[in-house]
Amino acid sequence: GQNIDQPTEMTATEGAIVQINCTYQTSGFNGLFWYQQHAGEAPTFLSYNVLDGLEEKGRFSSFLSRSKGYSYLLLKELQMKDSASYLCAVEAAGNKLTFGGGTRVLVKP
Amino acid sequence: EAGVAQSPRYKIIEKRQSVAFWCNPISGHATLYWYQQILGQGPKLLIQFQNNGVVDDSQLPKDRFSAERLKGVDSTLKIQPAKLEDSAVYLCASSLAGGFGELFFGEGSRLTVL
Repeated sequence: GQNIDQPTEMTATEGAIVQINCTYQTSGFNGLFWYQQHAGEAPTFLSYNVLDGLEEKGRFSSFLSRSKGYSYLLLKELQMKDSASYLCAVEAAGNKLTFGGGTRVLVKP
Repeated sequence: EAGVAQSPRYKIIEKRQSVAFWCNPISGHATLYWYQQILGQGPKLLIQFQNNGVVDDSQLPKDRFSAERLKGVDSTLKIQPAKLEDSAVYLCASSLAGGFGELFFGEGSRLTVL
C-alpha cells in the first residue's frame, strides 16, 4: 500500500516563499507528481520528479529524495492566484497514481 | 486538443436513488481513471482502466458502485443505491499508456446525496 503525508494548511504573504513538504511510503515507486487545484476546479499538473534532486520551473520548484521518501514543492514570489490546494501524488507500477490529502495554501496581501 | 469531457457537472439525488456519470477521455489515451474527491480531501482512486480492462478496482465499493469502459474509449460510473457519504466530486482522468503518467483531469461531476 501507499501512505502519503502533507500538511493540511499553510498561510503565507504575497511575495514570500512557501515550502510544502510531502513524505511517502510506497511499495514500488515510479515518480512523484505535484498538482495544483483551485477551489471547485480539477487538479492541474505542476511538476514531476523521478530522479533525486531539484526540478525548477519558473516560480515553482520541486525536490525529491527517494532514499528519504521525501519531496517538497517550493513556491517563490507568491501571488494571490497561488491560493489553492497543492496535491502530492506518488506513481507506482502500472501508472497507478495515489494522492495525498492536499495542502491548502492561503496567500494574504 | 479536446480535454477530458464529463457529464453531468452537477447532480442532486436522494439517498437510495441511483446515478450515472459519463466520461470521454482525451483521444488516444489508453488509461482512464475514476477518482472520488470528498470536500477538503485529496482524490481517492476508485477504478483504473487500461483500454477496456480493469487494472485496479481495489477501493471501489462494489456492492453499490460499478464502472465500465466498453470499446476502450468512454466510460460510465454508476452508484446504486446512493448513500449520504457518496456526496463528493467524481473526477475522471486519462493518461497515455507507457508515458510518464501525467494525468489529465475532467472538470468533475459534483454529486449531492440528500
